[in-house]
Amino acid sequence: TQLLEQSPQFLSIQEGENLTVYCNSSSVFSSLQWYRQEPGEGPVLLVTVVTGGEVKKLKRLTFQFGDARKDSSLHITAAQPGDTGLYLCAGWGGGGADGLTFGKGTHLIIQP
Amino acid sequence: GAVVSQHPSRVICKSGTSVKIECRSLDFQATTMFWYRQFPKQSLMLMATSNEGSKATYEQGVEKDKFLINHASLTLSTLTVTSAHPEDSSFYICSALPVETQYFGPGTRLLVL
Repeated sequence: TQLLEQSPQFLSIQEGENLTVYCNSSSVFSSLQWYRQEPGEGPVLLVTVVTGGEVKKLKRLTFQFGDARKDSSLHITAAQPGDTGLYLCAGWGGGGADGLTFGKGTHLIIQP
Repeated sequence: GAVVSQHPSRVICKSGTSVKIECRSLDFQATTMFWYRQFPKQSLMLMATSNEGSKATYEQGVEKDKFLINHASLTLSTLTVTSAHPEDSSFYICSALPVETQYFGPGTRLLVL
């Protein structure tokens, strides 16, 4: 069974601060996705990382996939209240019939 | 990105009744769809993999006779919660896999009274 440890589980910071969310596993994943979920809605894909060592940027969000494809991080620069939400990392084993393994999520609150 | 829809968005039912939830891929065909469940303040847990034209595969601990899955076409999978009980109240989310990335439906909030 593949497990993803996501940390921190809860984070409340002031607007303008930086933060990093981590996702770690002992298993190798073919790809890793980061999602953001608003209350009462389905997760919305932010990014997919596939190659070990890959770094992707989405405005103020920077995503990194570990060299061994076992871990990933999400860094937000100059956080804004609009960044508030539940951030989920999810690993995919690579098989066509494989569901995603989700981390427990990070509840992020950005206070104005 | 790919579009996945779910219906209904929320449903309230009496204990002992059955509820059907539909998941549709709107702009692509999906031979495989996935059903997840999410309890409040928690992450998504995979319940089962829905395979078009064949039986669904269920994760350990998920009762296949209680959560009936039918994937009758390349764009539609249904999840039926049979003899629902209050502990089945949850947020049910489906996803579909066009290529390597899963796209999620908006979810169905089920409340069993």
